[in-house]
Amino acid sequence: QKEVEQDPGPLSVPEGAIVSLNCTYSNSAFQYFMWYRQYSRKGPELLMYTYSSGNKEDGRFTAQVDKSSKYISLFIRDSQPSDSATYLCAMSAPAAGNKLTFGGGTRVLVKP
Amino acid sequence: GAGVSQSPSNKVTEKGKDVELRCDPISGHTALYWYRQSLGQGLEFLIYFQGNSAPDKSGLPSDRFSAERTGGSVSTLTIQRTQQEDSAVYLCASSTEWSGETQYFGPGTRLLVL
Repeated sequence: QKEVEQDPGPLSVPEGAIVSLNCTYSNSAFQYFMWYRQYSRKGPELLMYTYSSGNKEDGRFTAQVDKSSKYISLFIRDSQPSDSATYLCAMSAPAAGNKLTFGGGTRVLVKP
Repeated sequence: GAGVSQSPSNKVTEKGKDVELRCDPISGHTALYWYRQSLGQGLEFLIYFQGNSAPDKSGLPSDRFSAERTGGSVSTLTIQRTQQEDSAVYLCASSTEWSGETQYFGPGTRLLVL
């Protein structure tokens, strides 16, 4: 079983809808939680990062971490066709240095 | 400012040949990382540099893989005697020394081993 699990999708939503993405993990040592967006044939682009539990908001994006449930989420409000991409969650543990452990990614399609 | 750059963007090679992949990190970033992204395995960590030292090589899949970094800047990932299962996108990322949670990725090198 992988340390970080992520539904591969694809997740198809109409423009303007809320996109809800999530990851579960098994390693309780993870303290930093990141979300990356990756367009086809491009490198991952950092969207947000959160330390430990809690919520963080940045524009249309909200990240949530629930360490007690080992569950993280990313919400995208007012989705746009330009949000169509693969979204990757990533995590790191301080004792493991700066190595990131990624989920498999969820492909999102926002239809106009 | 300039982001992480990688070269070549694409590489096709024959099984058994050696390849070198290059990464130029963001100026001032002392930490550099190599990852590999393949269809079956997703995005996997390979190696991490802090300056010219590699404190974590735990992700290198075999002794055919090696990496070096000189002058605290450019890094080269070398794959010797390439195999078809080495076909993947090789991604480089960099960060400041104490901000490993904010790693910035390059566009990657697509390697195809025939």
